[in-house]
Amino acid sequence: GAVVSQHPSWVICKSGTSVKIECRSLDFQATTMFWYRQFPKQSLMLMATSNEGSKATYEQGVEKDKFLINHASLTLSTLTVTSAHPEDSSFYICSARDPTSGNNEQFFGPGTRLTVL
Amino acid sequence: SQKIEQNSEALNIQEGKTATLTCNYTNYSPAYLQWYRQDPGRGPVFLLLIRENEKEKRKERLKVTFDTTLKQSLFHITASQPADSATYLCALHMGGKLIFGQGTELSVKP
Repeated sequence: GAVVSQHPSWVICKSGTSVKIECRSLDFQATTMFWYRQFPKQSLMLMATSNEGSKATYEQGVEKDKFLINHASLTLSTLTVTSAHPEDSSFYICSARDPTSGNNEQFFGPGTRLTVL
Repeated sequence: SQKIEQNSEALNIQEGKTATLTCNYTNYSPAYLQWYRQDPGRGPVFLLLIRENEKEKRKERLKVTFDTTLKQSLFHITASQPADSATYLCALHMGGKLIFGQGTELSVKP
């Protein structure tokens, strides 16, 4: 099946710094990618939908100025957590939709563990 | 808004038995429903998709049912193995997005 990678797999940063997470579709072109956040023992919460070449669509309650999303190519979307604070510590997961898949299936990356000190 | 509920308590079963996980939702039925497996510290892995006009779907030891009247999907793993231990998530496809349940943790004891 299709493969989605994320980088880095984990990151520790100081409060107030910005962190960039990359999401890549390795063997298909993804016009749409999604960013999720997951706290321990909780569900994946959709943060935003990233469309190649256009602005991301953010879910209600997600600060677009804090979580900057860029989908500059058909295989890469980035999420930048600006001025990170300890409450931003979470597991961030991206997914990509393969437009050639008849099921509108989403393929998930392995996730990035962010810890803000 | 759509609400999804999965068995919140962990499910512990003996190897070889059938595990049955439940996913209930409120409001309107989705075009299709998906089940994912998630291991600790990893992203979800797609298992099965079932459409609203399908009653049942099978894949090897996995079986999913979808009852739009009850607004419920059941996920079965037959002849369960310790390697099946993981958290299983159901997700509804609504308006181009996936909405996830909180997951059920399954533990299969040898």
